[in-house]
Amino acid sequence: QVQLVESGGGVVQPGRSLRLSCAASGFTFSNYAIHWVRQSPGKGLEWVALISHDGRKTDYADSVKGRFIISRDNSRNTVFLEMNSLTPEDTAVYYCAREYYDSSPPVWFDPWGQGTLVTVSS
Amino acid sequence: DIQMTQYPSSLSASVGDRVSITCRASQRIAIYLNWYQQRPGKAPRLLIYAASRLQSGVPSRFSGSGSGTDFTLTISNLQPEDFATYYCQYSYSAPPFAFGPGTKVEIK
Repeated sequence: QVQLVESGGGVVQPGRSLRLSCAASGFTFSNYAIHWVRQSPGKGLEWVALISHDGRKTDYADSVKGRFIISRDNSRNTVFLEMNSLTPEDTAVYYCAREYYDSSPPVWFDPWGQGTLVTVSS
Repeated sequence: DIQMTQYPSSLSASVGDRVSITCRASQRIAIYLNWYQQRPGKAPRLLIYAASRLQSGVPSRFSGSGSGTDFTLTISNLQPEDFATYYCQYSYSAPPFAFGPGTKVEIK
């Protein structure tokens, strides 16, 4: 079945870096854009970043621009999120999601991975 | 940037009730609006896309309506598994892909 699985979360000190992975299966990965969305504890959903199907286009939320880098390896069906200069405000569950559409726009996110928790604390 | 608001922020209802959640955009967004359900400790799940189109596998008691700035998610015959938080999302094909703040549906 169509599935996304995140990994790489953990506890990291402020100012340090962490790399998250999102492994896909069950669909032709290279045909789809992938997004990262995060959710701080007890809070709502915040879009973080996107990467186009071929990796040529990326975009970021203002809150992470210049600190986070999204990339992909279509030979490994995996998307990465390199997070640098982390602050406690980056503490959240990070989800990856596939972008889907039938006649763009609009687009929608389906499915989502189970999420990976990143805690930024000294 | 387009801002999304939802109301109510929470509601209490009983099994079998019909409930409606409203999402309002700060600018007209045609039908570029999705709805997601998030159960506690779980990932969001797509319910409705393009304002009114039911995602495959989602029960027909869920429905969406609206266009422009005002949208509604309706759950008829509320079931125990429907107690969750619901988010709307502006869904044009470019950022900011803004989400609403969420509406928590609780058991009365």
